[in-house]
Amino acid sequence: DTAVSQTPKYLVTQMGNDKSIKCEQNLGHDTMYWYKQDSKKFLKIMFSYNNKELIINETVPNRFSPKSPDKAHLNLHINSLELGDSAVYFCASSMTSGGYTQYFGPGTRLTVL
Amino acid sequence: AQTVTQSQPEMSVQEAETVTLSCTYDTSENNYYLFWYKQPPSRQMILVIRQEAYKQQNATENRFSVNFQKAAKSFSLKISDSQLGDTAMYFCAFVDNAGNNRKLIWGLGTSLAVNP
Repeated sequence: DTAVSQTPKYLVTQMGNDKSIKCEQNLGHDTMYWYKQDSKKFLKIMFSYNNKELIINETVPNRFSPKSPDKAHLNLHINSLELGDSAVYFCASSMTSGGYTQYFGPGTRLTVL
Repeated sequence: AQTVTQSQPEMSVQEAETVTLSCTYDTSENNYYLFWYKQPPSRQMILVIRQEAYKQQNATENRFSVNFQKAAKSFSLKISDSQLGDTAMYFCAFVDNAGNNRKLIWGLGTSLAVNP
C-alpha cells in the first residue's frame, strides 16, 4: 500500500496557467509538508500543516497556496505559472510523537513551457 | 542559525568496497534528530537511517551505519559492501525538539556513484 501518494507524477503546462498537485498519506500522521527541489537537487521547504493548521510558511510567492481539507490530505495550488516554477515538488508527512521522521511521496515533476 | 554541511559534493566507490559520507551540523539545542536520506535516479526520497541525539549508540541498518560524534557535531554515514543500487544522492538532515514547526534542515547532498 502506498504510504504517501501524489498526483500527478508529471505535469507539463504553459506559462500563465493554474495547476494543482494533490497529496494524500495513509500513515495516520499529523503533519504534512510541501518541498520544492530545483535542478541542483536542493530541497526547500515551502509549507507545513499540523492537524490542518499552517505551521511553516516559508518565503514563497503568493501564487502558491496550500490547502489541507483534513489531516490526511495537503494539496498545492499554483496560479499564473512561471518558467521558474519548473521543479520537482515533494509532499511528505511525519508524526510528532515519531521523532519527526518524514516520509516522502514520489514527487511531481512540473515543467512550465 | 542551524545549518547542515555536506562537504563532499561527489564521491565514487568500487562495488563491494566501503565508503563514508561526511556531515556536520550546527545547533545550540541538546535534543534533536539526525537523518540520512537517499535519492536514487528514480527521484524517490528514501529514509536510510535515523539517530536520536540522546542515544550514544550509533544507529545501524544492515549495510548502513553512522558515526555520531555529538561533541564534534558530526554525523557520517558508512556504507559497507557497496552495491550498484546504492548509486544515489545522499542527503543529511537535522531537526530539533524545540519549538513546534518540525522543520528539517537539509544539507546540499552528496552524489555517490558505485562503479562495477
